[in-house]
Amino acid sequence: DAEITQSPRHKITETGRQVTLACHQTWNHNNMFWYRQDLGHGLRLIHYSYGVQDTNKGEVSDGYSVSRSNTEDLPLTLESAASSQTSVYFCASSERRGDIQYFGAGTRLSVL
Amino acid sequence: QKEVEQNSGPLSVPEGAIASLNCTYSDRGSQSFFWYRQYSGKSPELIMFIYSNGDKEDGRFTAQLNKASQYVSLLIRDSQPSDSATYLCAVTPSSYKLIFGSGTRLLVRP
Repeated sequence: DAEITQSPRHKITETGRQVTLACHQTWNHNNMFWYRQDLGHGLRLIHYSYGVQDTNKGEVSDGYSVSRSNTEDLPLTLESAASSQTSVYFCASSERRGDIQYFGAGTRLSVL
Repeated sequence: QKEVEQNSGPLSVPEGAIASLNCTYSDRGSQSFFWYRQYSGKSPELIMFIYSNGDKEDGRFTAQLNKASQYVSLLIRDSQPSDSATYLCAVTPSSYKLIFGSGTRLLVRP
């Protein structure tokens, strides 16, 4: 079955370190998204991509970057981790823009 | 004004009752509407989507859309304790980027 997987599931890091969260989907979806979820804020869009070599900033992109070199993967990089980036991160993909998004299991990141 | 608004709850209903969850949105050009269920510590999973005005039923779930009033609702009939979760409303505005509400926490009391 097609799926979307995130790794690692849990990560503890120190402030100032670079961290990369992986997202891999086997649906062959062009559209991929990264969200963070914090209490009281719901899901907030960090970055998204509508295809290979296409990346766009979401509403909370500062301190994060993504790259899209193939259809299956959209890794999220925290250039210099900050305590404010402690959160749960979800990756999602969709077949069509603006349509149903399917979520990975999430990565719980703690920055100490 | 938030683009997608939901009452945070918790909404508490007895087992077997109808749970009614509501969501309002600000962009009149919004085209697609989704309800996701999220259990604590888990990822959101789609339970309903609706594109046209009116009602759409799937088992115990009914989604209702009223574009003129800019609201979408989710009814859960015969609520079960296993329905206890946070329900996220998501809307596709003119920009085609899904906007999520903060979610309504539902508690179904046995």
